[in-house]
Amino acid sequence: DTEVTQTPKHLVMGMTNKKSLKCEQHMGHRAMYWYKQKAKKPPELMFVYSYEKLSINESVPSRFSPECPNSSLLNLHLHALQPEDSALYLCASQNPRGNTGELFFGEGSRLTVL
Amino acid sequence: DAKTTQPPSMDCAEGRAANLPCNHSTISGNEYVYWYRQIHSQGPQYIIHGLKNNETNEMASLIITEDRKSSTLILPHATLRDTAVYYCIVREADTGRRALTFGSGTRLQVQP
Repeated sequence: DTEVTQTPKHLVMGMTNKKSLKCEQHMGHRAMYWYKQKAKKPPELMFVYSYEKLSINESVPSRFSPECPNSSLLNLHLHALQPEDSALYLCASQNPRGNTGELFFGEGSRLTVL
Repeated sequence: DAKTTQPPSMDCAEGRAANLPCNHSTISGNEYVYWYRQIHSQGPQYIIHGLKNNETNEMASLIITEDRKSSTLILPHATLRDTAVYYCIVREADTGRRALTFGSGTRLQVQP
C-alpha cells in the first residue's frame, strides 16, 4: 500500500464553521506534512510532524490546528477560516529513516470558505 | 535548501523527448536534486532524484552536470499524460525534519 488517503476531497464551509481534514497512510512512515496550494501557485509548507510530534510550523495562523493522533493519521482542524484560506490542502508522508527522501502525496482536499 | 531556477513553461511534441532544465548553482555537497510533477488537480508525484551520477528509472532520466550546478530531466517519449507542472527541488535526503520547498516549476505542455 503506497497511498496517502485524504478526506474529504471537497469541503465547503462558512467562516463560523468548525471542520477537519483527515489524512491517512499505512506505509509505516513516521513523518507527515501539510501543504497549502493556491491556484496556479506551488505548494507551500504548513506543518511537519516527525514521530507524531510537531517539528515545523511555518507561522501558520492559529485557525489551522494540526493533530497527529497516531503514526498513521494526520488531521487538520479548521475554525473561523477566511475566504482567502480557500485552497487545495495536500498531505504527504515520508519514511524519515529512508535514504531516498521521497515524499508521497495524497490527492488533496479542496477547501472553499464562503 | 538551495534555490532552483526553471523556465516557466515549455512545449513538447507527443512522442518526442522532453528535456526540462534546472539551475541550482548554490547546491551544497550533501544536497540531492529531486524532481516531482503535478498533474492538474492532483497531488505532486515523485519522479526521480540524484546526487552526482546520472540516474534513470521507468519514468525518466536525470542528467546532472559535473559541477552539479544544473541538471536536466528527460522524458524520453512524452505523451499527453505527461502534461503537468514539473518541480526541480534540491534538499538533503536523510530526514523528516525538513520538508520539500517547491519553486515555481515548469509547466510542460505536450502537444498532439
